Amino acid sequence: EVQLVESGGGLVQPGGSLRLSCAASGFTFSPYRMTWVRQAPGKGLEWVANIKQDGSEKNYVDSVKGRFTISRDNAENSLYLQMNSLRAEDTAVYYCARAVSGYYFGNWGQGTLVTVSS
Amino acid sequence: QTVVTQEPSFSVSPGGTVTLTCGLSSGSVSTSYYPSWYQQTPGQAPRTLIYSTNTRSSGVPDRFSGSILGKKAALTITGAQADDESDYYCVLYMGSGTWVFGGGTRVTVL
Repeated sequence: EVQLVESGGGLVQPGGSLRLSCAASGFTFSPYRMTWVRQAPGKGLEWVANIKQDGSEKNYVDSVKGRFTISRDNAENSLYLQMNSLRAEDTAVYYCARAVSGYYFGNWGQGTLVTVSS
Repeated sequence: QTVVTQEPSFSVSPGGTVTLTCGLSSGSVSTSYYPSWYQQTPGQAPRTLIYSTNTRSSGVPDRFSGSILGKKAALTITGAQADDESDYYCVLYMGSGTWVFGGGTRVTVL
């Protein structure tokens, strides 16, 4: 069974940093692009970042460019999101998702809540 | 700035049919955008329903179908059931490893 388990969320002050992790199991991790999607309270889904299978290509939504960094460790079957210079508008549940066939999100984790507040 | 448009809400009677659409602020949605659809109930993670325009994900009932209607992608629920009451999101692949979600449609079954 495919499982994606996010961790690392919590309360952080504006301007602070947080590192999210996503542990993958039940499938071979390395052949898949992986993605972070977030959802602010009461709002819709927003694609945040994507990383190629070997980590050589990373893409971000404009609002997080220069502040967030996506990475992966294929040996550890893990995906990460380093979030710096956090803002109140980054408050959201962050989901990791497996990109299947390169074009859609076939599996989702349960999400981890990030709250940016003083 | 690409905006993906969805109806904010729809109401459907039990057993009825509803078609949700997914458009672009400028231009037409085609299969080249690999439109996919996700269902989400409050407090839960999204569930993949449809991918690559019209392919149902494993375990998804055949009352859910995807298509291109005119200039938009569409998700049709035929024979709606009470547990179809959810938020539905489309997402378009914009190329170069980037995606844009629509704002979501809340479907009420009553």
